[in-house]
Amino acid sequence: DQQVKQNSPSLSVQEGRISILNCDYTNSMFDYFLWYKKYPAEGPTFLISISSIKDKNEDGRFTVFLNKSAKHLSLHIVPSQPGDSAVYFCAAIISGSARQLTFGSGTQLTVLP
Amino acid sequence: EADIYQTPRYLVIGTGKKITLECSQTMGHDKMYWYQQDPGMELHLIHYSYGVNSTEKGDLSSESTVSRIRTEHFPLTLESARPSHTSQYLCASSETVNHEQYFGPGTRLTVT
Repeated sequence: DQQVKQNSPSLSVQEGRISILNCDYTNSMFDYFLWYKKYPAEGPTFLISISSIKDKNEDGRFTVFLNKSAKHLSLHIVPSQPGDSAVYFCAAIISGSARQLTFGSGTQLTVLP
Repeated sequence: EADIYQTPRYLVIGTGKKITLECSQTMGHDKMYWYQQDPGMELHLIHYSYGVNSTEKGDLSSESTVSRIRTEHFPLTLESARPSHTSQYLCASSETVNHEQYFGPGTRLTVT
């Protein structure tokens, strides 16, 4: 049973436009969420995170929104750049527990020049 | 910048061979993790460690074993490789369970 779901395996966006990557979760106990970016033949790199006490966190071109009632989070990239083309994974964790990060299956973002 | 290293980056090996995938980090992190990932799929945790001499199995059953004799080193061993072990293996570390995990570049393993 997949507790973190990324239903769009791929997304294509024009350079300069907004990219919106979505993630849904089923476990209401999750209270900390992270986004990772992964290039081919490399390990994932941490991008941005959000605690469940917030509904928005912003870092430069990247903003993560959390809707707890809908159990949904999204990553916005504005403006999108060709170098943003990568696989994006969302992950969730229950803070303070011995549980580990639970990852989604990823979304391949392609930013077209 | 995270300093976590994995060797080899790529490995093609025959069935039945014993292999060890190396992972080292220079950040002094107590927590270390091994994930397995197939293309288009989520990362699955196969082993983790909260410190020296501490190892646990993850959510995904794996025939591999790990050891943690030194803080900085967390090798993964397959006693007898099989084609079903073909995958990408990612090592990670974190300062605490609730902090971001830093990943190594991964080992792409192919068992023929």
